[in-house]
Parts: sequence; structure tokens; C-alpha cells
Amino acid sequence: DAGITQSPRHKVTETGTPVTLRCHQTENHRYMYWYRQDPGHGLRLIHYSYGVKDTDKGEVSDGYSVSRSKTEDFLLTLESATSSQTSVYFCAISPSGRGNGELFFGEGSRLTVL
Amino acid sequence: GQQVMQIPQYQHVQEGEDFTTYCNSSTTLSNIQWYKQRPGGHPVFLIQLVKSGEVKKQKRLTFQFGEAKKNSSLHITATQTTDVGTYFCAGDYGGSQGNLIFGKGTKLSVKP
Repeated sequence: DAGITQSPRHKVTETGTPVTLRCHQTENHRYMYWYRQDPGHGLRLIHYSYGVKDTDKGEVSDGYSVSRSKTEDFLLTLESATSSQTSVYFCAISPSGRGNGELFFGEGSRLTVL
Repeated sequence: GQQVMQIPQYQHVQEGEDFTTYCNSSTTLSNIQWYKQRPGGHPVFLIQLVKSGEVKKQKRLTFQFGEAKKNSSLHITATQTTDVGTYFCAGDYGGSQGNLIFGKGTKLSVKP
């Protein structure tokens, strides 16, 4: 196991409310990622981080922000959740130390926005 | 933008039959990765192919990377019910750190 913990695992919220998902790793890997998975779209990159306070946007970053104040934690925030952000969110790490090395995923966080 | 096309979207097979999923890119890939996701689970890394024409085997799974490094395939020989899940390819186009593009996956069901 890659030592990745996501929380919460399930959340139901209402449109317009803020939501923060947390990804915690135990092994101090440099690269961390947030993906969303939707039927018919596969996995799409939201944001990624290549170090403390170093983050960059992915393919579907609109409506999301991230923060990484410690190596082990990567937070994904939806400032004002919308129904289109109902999805399963996966955090991933890259143990190889390369930006595009193999990824190890967390268990996922299922978010429902009503 | 860069896209990795994966076919078929679904495949239903009888246990014991073979299965193949294909990925294609319009531009050259630096490398390609394959992942498996069991129903209700998370994607799990299977393998990475880097060299042109590379072929790698993992038991009943055979992975190939095309000569032009634009396509790849995963072939499962004699499927078992444990093979059920969605198989994703992910293309690395090189360059920036966040440039891994996933195909939409092939969902495999196996009838015992």
C-alpha cells in the first residue's frame, strides 16, 4: 500500500457550500495529484503539486483550488460547490520522484452536490 | 489538446476467452502506463512501457507499445472472473509534470 489516506470518503453537500477534501501521505513523496472520475470521461487531472507550496493546474481546474503547506498533505477545495462537481475524487502520488512516473491512488472521495 | 483514445468502451466475454483493449494517440508518446480499476475501487498501476516496440508480460497479460510510440494494447489470455474491472491506459507526452493523459477506459465483464 502506498500510504495514502483520503478524507472524507463520502460527502453530501448542497450547492453553494464550500468543501475541502484532504489527501494525506505517509512517505514524503514530492508529487501529489488530484483527479476526478466521471462516467464517460475517465480520469481527469484537476491540480497537482511538486512540492510544498508548489502547485499547478490540470485539465479541469476551474472551480477548484489546492494547497500544500506540508509535504504530507494536499488539500482540494471547492469554494462554492456546484452540481457539476458531483464526482469521485482521487488523490495520487508518484513515488518514482518523476512528474510522470507511475501513480498510486488513494481510495477515493465520493462527493454529491445537491 | 492531446487525447488518448481507448477502445472498446465495453467488452463482455465468456470466462476463458481472450480480451484486448487498444489505445491510440495522434502524437508520439514518451511512455504509456496501464491501470486496472476493480468495481468500486481505485485505479491500480499495472505497468509502464517506454521503448518503441516494447512487449512486456505479466502472467496472462501482454502489453505492447507500438513502433511509432503512438499506440498500445493490453491483451489478456483466457480471462478469469478476477479480471473483471476497467482497464485504463495513460499517455505521457513528456514536458511538464502534469502531462499524463488517461484514456476513458475499457470496462471488462466476464461471464463464468
